[in-house]
Amino acid sequence: EVQLVESGGGLVQPGRSLKLSCAASGFTFSDYNMAWVRQAPKKGLEWVATISYDGSSTYYRDSVKGRFTISRDNAKSTLYLQMDSLRSEDTATYYCARGSAYWGQGTLVTVSS
Amino acid sequence: DVVMTQTPVSLPVSLGGQASISCRSSQSLVHSNGNTYLHWYLQKPGQSPQLLIYRVSNRFSGVPDRFSGSGSGTDFTLKISRVEPEDLGDYYCLQSTHFPWTFGGGTKLELK
Repeated sequence: EVQLVESGGGLVQPGRSLKLSCAASGFTFSDYNMAWVRQAPKKGLEWVATISYDGSSTYYRDSVKGRFTISRDNAKSTLYLQMDSLRSEDTATYYCARGSAYWGQGTLVTVSS
Repeated sequence: DVVMTQTPVSLPVSLGGQASISCRSSQSLVHSNGNTYLHWYLQKPGQSPQLLIYRVSNRFSGVPDRFSGSGSGTDFTLKISRVEPEDLGDYYCLQSTHFPWTFGGGTKLELK
């Protein structure tokens, strides 16, 4: 069974950093592109970033480019999202996704002073 | 960026009835490899989105055949026949042909 478990969310002040993790199991992690998608409270879905199966290619939405870094450790079957210079508009539940098919339960990030 | 226009925003239905949701893209979703990466999701309250239909018309594992997807190019439709209580929630389309991936604004399927 495919499982994706996010962690690392919490309350953080504007301008600070946070690193999210997504532990994957139930499939060969190194075979799949992975993504982060977020959802602000009571709002729709917004793609954040994608990383290729081997980590050689990364893609970001413009609003996070230069502030967020997606990475992966295939030996640990873990996906990461390093978030720097956080803004209030980054407040959202962040979901880890295997391609566009399987999603985790999400981790809430709140950026507030 | 590809804009996904999803309609309607709200869709009141009766149990056992039929529902239809439209998603239109601002440019063709046909990838250079010939595939069309248009997918449909249902998000139930308090849950993460679950994939219903992938690449326009393919039902994901475990999805009942009451759900069907169709369309091509820039115009896509999700149909739900014989609506059941567990079908209620927010529906989203997603295009992953072009970066950045973009979602439709969502459709709330609710009881009439």
